[in-house]
Amino acid sequence: GENVEQHPSTLSVQEGDSAVIKCTYSDSASNYFPWYKQELGKRPQLIIDIRSNVGEKKDQRIAVTLNKTAKHFSLHITETQPEDSAVYFCAASLGTNAGKSTFGDGTTLTVKP
Amino acid sequence: DGGITQSPKYLFRKEGQNVTLSCEQNLNHDAMYWYRQDPGQGLRLIYYSQIVNDFQKGDIAEGYSVSREKKESFPLTVTSAQKNPTAFYLCASSPVEGVAYEQYFGPGTRLTVT
Repeated sequence: GENVEQHPSTLSVQEGDSAVIKCTYSDSASNYFPWYKQELGKRPQLIIDIRSNVGEKKDQRIAVTLNKTAKHFSLHITETQPEDSAVYFCAASLGTNAGKSTFGDGTTLTVKP
Repeated sequence: DGGITQSPKYLFRKEGQNVTLSCEQNLNHDAMYWYRQDPGQGLRLIYYSQIVNDFQKGDIAEGYSVSREKKESFPLTVTSAQKNPTAFYLCASSPVEGVAYEQYFGPGTRLTVT
């Protein structure tokens, strides 16, 4: 089955700096790669996603890049703010399997004011 | 915030008892999922269902059971056979239309077994 590895497990940055979280996946058939943000005590929520026919997607301060050949994708957050502090999860999904996703272990991002 | 609900928020049980966690959605989604979240281990899939009266085991199904009698509901039973049931349980749903979509999560149930 699919295996997703996420790095780093913890990341601390100064407010205004950029943060990058990287994930690798094993199944070359995976074609949907969402990123979820989970604030303390709350449910995970989608912040950005990318499909395998696209190499990069951007939404304001957040961007995701996908390298299908190398089977890795990354989340980029620019101009970080304290409210970006949360746990971030990447996932890989095979669209033909009921949207079943395999999640990375999460990255705890701390943005210091 | 609405759309998918879980109850209760906190649940306490004695070892050896079965316990059922509720999950309801009004998003008209076909697929529903149950995850277990432990510190530092991300989200691990317990069971998922693509359609009423059908469900499949995920990566850690042992000691758990589910039913899908209605599209809106996907209850999870944690049985006494689950060796380490204390965890945070998340239910999710998503549409199934031939491609993968984001999953919408419920608020979670924190189960403590002593």
